[in-house]
Amino acid sequence: GENVEQHPSTLSVQEGDSAVIKCTYSDSASNYFPWYKQELGKRPQLIIDIRSNVGEKKDQRIAVTLNKTAKHFSLHITETQPEDSAVYFCAAHTGGFKTIFGAGTRLFVKA
Amino acid sequence: GAVVSQHPSWVICKSGTSVKIECRSLDFQATTMFWYRQFPKQSLMLMATSNEGSKATYEQGVEKDKFLINHASLTLSTLTVTSAHPEDSSFYICSARDRVGLNEKLFFGSGTQLSVL
Repeated sequence: GENVEQHPSTLSVQEGDSAVIKCTYSDSASNYFPWYKQELGKRPQLIIDIRSNVGEKKDQRIAVTLNKTAKHFSLHITETQPEDSAVYFCAAHTGGFKTIFGAGTRLFVKA
Repeated sequence: GAVVSQHPSWVICKSGTSVKIECRSLDFQATTMFWYRQFPKQSLMLMATSNEGSKATYEQGVEKDKFLINHASLTLSTLTVTSAHPEDSSFYICSARDRVGLNEKLFFGSGTQLSVL
């Protein structure tokens, strides 16, 4: 069935360093890949997304890459700050018009 | 981005009672809404897809008689947890698709923390 795998489950970095989170998806018909940031007890917030006709997208310190052949996509955060600490979820919008989420990555940015 | 309102934010109820959660798209029409369940420190698990004017589509393992979904208008979907039990305690969150230009984006409600005593 449709599945999204996300790694790592926990990531700890020093302030100013980069953080990379990787996801793979199973449904080759998936065409839209959003990334969400969720703080404790709050709703997921869309931070960046990429569509299947694009290989890379950047928005200030955040970038996302997509490899359709390998069915991989990754989130890159540069110059991390303590306020980047949160849980990050990748997701894939499948051919069945559902959005399936990865298991999440808990990012800790140490000051 | 688009605004999705979800109420209530918190609900505590006795075992055996039913609880209704509302999800509204405030500034757009949503023909499709989704209901997710999230356990502490876990991911969002899709429960069902709510379609305006038709029956909801439930994911495997989700009891449709337990989790009643109604999508009577283009801006409102409701989830009713019937005969709630302590194992139903969880964070329930809705989302709705909004078309932005040629693309669709998913926006989330603020979630409902359900505690069943």
